[in-house]
Amino acid sequence: AIQLTQSPSSLSASVGDRVTITCRASQGISSALAWYQQKPGKAPKLLIYDASSLESGVPSRFSGSGSGTDFTLTISSLQPEDFATYYCQQFNNYPPLTFGGGTKVEIK
Amino acid sequence: QVQLVESGGGLVKPGGSLRLSCAASGFTFSDYYMSWIRQAPGKGLEWVSYISSSSSYTNYADSVKGRFTISRDNAKNSLYLQMNSLRAEDTAVYYCARGQYYDRQAFDIWGQGTMVTVSS
Repeated sequence: AIQLTQSPSSLSASVGDRVTITCRASQGISSALAWYQQKPGKAPKLLIYDASSLESGVPSRFSGSGSGTDFTLTISSLQPEDFATYYCQQFNNYPPLTFGGGTKVEIK
Repeated sequence: QVQLVESGGGLVKPGGSLRLSCAASGFTFSDYYMSWIRQAPGKGLEWVSYISSSSSYTNYADSVKGRFTISRDNAKNSLYLQMNSLRAEDTAVYYCARGQYYDRQAFDIWGQGTMVTVSS
């Protein structure tokens, strides 16, 4: 199974900061990676698919990049509603479909 | 409005069974692969199972293989997860989710989740 390692596992940031989260795959997955945002008590929400394609309705401050084994999610200017946990997920080689361990973005 | 609504969660004893349901609306259910994904309390996301649009293909995580069965009824726009021989480690919120396309299993629509607690 492909393992996804996210870093950092948590971070503290201020409104307006640029935030970058990384996701590393244990083997190459081309661009078959998605990013999700999850707020407490809520279902995850798809932000990015195919590593860099923005899901409809998602603000343009979110962007994704990478291919192969190394990927990043960037929030260009952190907003109050962006404080949440973020997960990456691969869909290149399955089953199983796998998720990263998550990155919690907290208020500094 | 595109929507998935899960039901059927609850408290069950170890070794017991439970059947989860997921009702879909607002889209052509029969066009999409569907998955169950779970999240143990305070933990990350774990894919559990998926089923193809016509039920031809199913797959399971190793942790549930042989105990859980996924199925769907396209006439009723419904997805199911039959869970047998439940263990404490199956305690989680269970989400149903829609795969974007058959060859792109990113999940664009999620239900609100249903809680399953396995405890004596």
